[in-house]
Amino acid sequence: KNEVEQSPQNLTAQEGEFITINCSYSVGISALHWLQQHPGGGIVSLFMLSSGKKKHGRLIATINIQEKHSSLHITASHPRDSAVYICADYSGGSNYKLTFGKGTLLTVNP
Amino acid sequence: GAGVSQSPSNKVTEKGKDVELRCDPISGHTALYWYRQSLGQGLEFLIYFQGNSAPDKSGLPSDRFSAERTGGSVSTLTIQRTQQEDSAVYLCASRGQVNTEAFFGQGTRLTVV
Repeated sequence: KNEVEQSPQNLTAQEGEFITINCSYSVGISALHWLQQHPGGGIVSLFMLSSGKKKHGRLIATINIQEKHSSLHITASHPRDSAVYICADYSGGSNYKLTFGKGTLLTVNP
Repeated sequence: GAGVSQSPSNKVTEKGKDVELRCDPISGHTALYWYRQSLGQGLEFLIYFQGNSAPDKSGLPSDRFSAERTGGSVSTLTIQRTQQEDSAVYLCASRGQVNTEAFFGQGTRLTVV
């Protein structure tokens, strides 16, 4: 059974700080998904990656397939980055099944 | 459509009633997922469709829950004889090719009173 674990569960930062959220998974995967959910809001896809690194604005996602680990970094954090960040991986025989981590609640204070 | 659409956005129902939740996936997306998010909890997998068939129903919590998909497009999640523990946000997602990203609807917030 694939398990996806995120750390930390909760993270509070001051505006401008560099943020790192970690995700570990137990089964070999084909791709990993980082998602964002604002309080009371819908889920938005940030990245999907299967190797290396991707960057979008102040967000950077990396993945190490050998170590079964991915990180999401936020540079120059801002209060509007406050949200739940969720990682999910594609696994299963047909690589269809998304298994979600429990999420990391990020609060960025001004 | 432009995105995944779910309806209704909010539903309040009395315990014991049946409810139907609808999901319109992105046009052309063959894979469709239903998830549930209870207050303060993570996302719980319910069921997965590939086309009109459901190869994985393992997440349905009881036989009161059922889902169908017709024409490879719209899906309906039905909860019979609702219970208070069914209260949650029900999320639908769709995906095109294998290993492409999934897109989520805004969810249906179900409250059973």
